[in-house]
Amino acid sequence: DAKTTQPNSMESNEEEPVHLPCNHSTISGTDYIHWYRQLPSQGPEYVIHGLTSNVNNRMASLAIAEDRKSSTLILHRATLRDAAVYYCILLINFGNEKLTFGTGTRLTIIP
Amino acid sequence: DTGVSQDPRHKITKRGQNVTFRCDPISEHNRLYWYRQTLGQGPEFLTYFQNEAQLEKSRLLSDRFSAERPKGSFSTLEIQRTEQGDSAMYLCASSSHRDSNEKLFFGSGTQLSVL
Repeated sequence: DAKTTQPNSMESNEEEPVHLPCNHSTISGTDYIHWYRQLPSQGPEYVIHGLTSNVNNRMASLAIAEDRKSSTLILHRATLRDAAVYYCILLINFGNEKLTFGTGTRLTIIP
Repeated sequence: DTGVSQDPRHKITKRGQNVTFRCDPISEHNRLYWYRQTLGQGPEFLTYFQNEAQLEKSRLLSDRFSAERPKGSFSTLEIQRTEQGDSAMYLCASSSHRDSNEKLFFGSGTQLSVL
């Protein structure tokens, strides 16, 4: 599976935007970029996914570099409830949703 | 939609005992996954079912581990002769093959402590 690289931790102030980076330089043309997050004492939850174009949903936005070797998850206005570990995962063309998690980025929100 | 349900939430056992966990997926989901997560790490894939068929097993799943999904609905994960290294959070997830997003929905997990 293609590998992703994320910072171990980030901090952000409450009510400010947060940009969570992910590098995936070995991504192949059929790999989708998925983001999940895991709140304390919970299982992971889906956030967003994309292939080439930028994507928006009610939770976040996903900005994908033109060469697809990196992407950024954007939380437009962080709240304390967004404190979680965020995982960037590459998934091959929905053939098998066997997600391969890394260690993710632990996001701390400062009140 | 009641979400993915796992039981029990916590299990403490002595080394050498057998334990069984249950997962009830979202009702219309035909795919079910088991993951294991240790402290500070991301979840690791263990096995996956499509309906009642177990289609893939990780090499992490030793002979002491067995998973079933007898009628394509709920699933059980059994660990025989538990070892201290089995202490972890065991997560279940489900997905719908018909969902174009194919996103996984996770339960809150079963935390296993082997003493």
